[in-house]
Amino acid sequence: AQSVSQHNHHVILSEAASLELGCNYSYGGTVNLFWYVQYPGQHLQLLLKYFSGDPLVKGIKGFEAEFIKSKFSFNLRKPSVQWSDTAEYFCAVNALPSGGSQGNLIFGKGTKLSVKP
Amino acid sequence: NAGVTQTPKFRILKIGQSMTLQCTQDMNHNYMYWYRQDPGMGLKLIYYSVGAGITDKGEVPNGYNVSRSTTEDFPLRLELAAPSQTSVYFCAGSSGQRNSPLHFGNGTRLTVT
Repeated sequence: AQSVSQHNHHVILSEAASLELGCNYSYGGTVNLFWYVQYPGQHLQLLLKYFSGDPLVKGIKGFEAEFIKSKFSFNLRKPSVQWSDTAEYFCAVNALPSGGSQGNLIFGKGTKLSVKP
Repeated sequence: NAGVTQTPKFRILKIGQSMTLQCTQDMNHNYMYWYRQDPGMGLKLIYYSVGAGITDKGEVPNGYNVSRSTTEDFPLRLELAAPSQTSVYFCAGSSGQRNSPLHFGNGTRLTVT
């Protein structure tokens, strides 16, 4: 079965520090990849997505992610975090069945990011 | 522009009670989903629907039921509430295109005591 692993449960950073959150998935076929963010008390919102083309994807608020197919990874990065980035971040994979156009999103368990002002 | 709307926002149930979590969307999404979110566990798919009249089980369907009589509405039914169903429930919709993201509602926090 497909699965998504997020390696860090809780990351604590000071403002202006660089961020990298790991995400690995297990599926050998075609995938679409997403990062969602959930600010405290709110619902999940799309941060960025990858489905084809340039493996380096830029999203909102200065976030980016790189798809490395050989490593089955889609790590999220930001050069300089802000206090307002404090949130929970979820990696998700849409494992597309052979010949199909739509799978179901499988979410990682999430990584809480706390940014100290 | 309402998007995906869930009601209620909060609910406390006693064991054995039943209730329906409402979800409606005005984005003309064909695909709709129900997830539950538990601390440290991410989101688990309960049920999903690819269009009116079509529903299918997700990863954790036991104890729940859904219906999809219209494109707009996708209610989730709990028949006999159990403490294990204490969770935050999110409804989501998407166009169904392979690269389309999910649009989430604001969630329903349910406590079963």
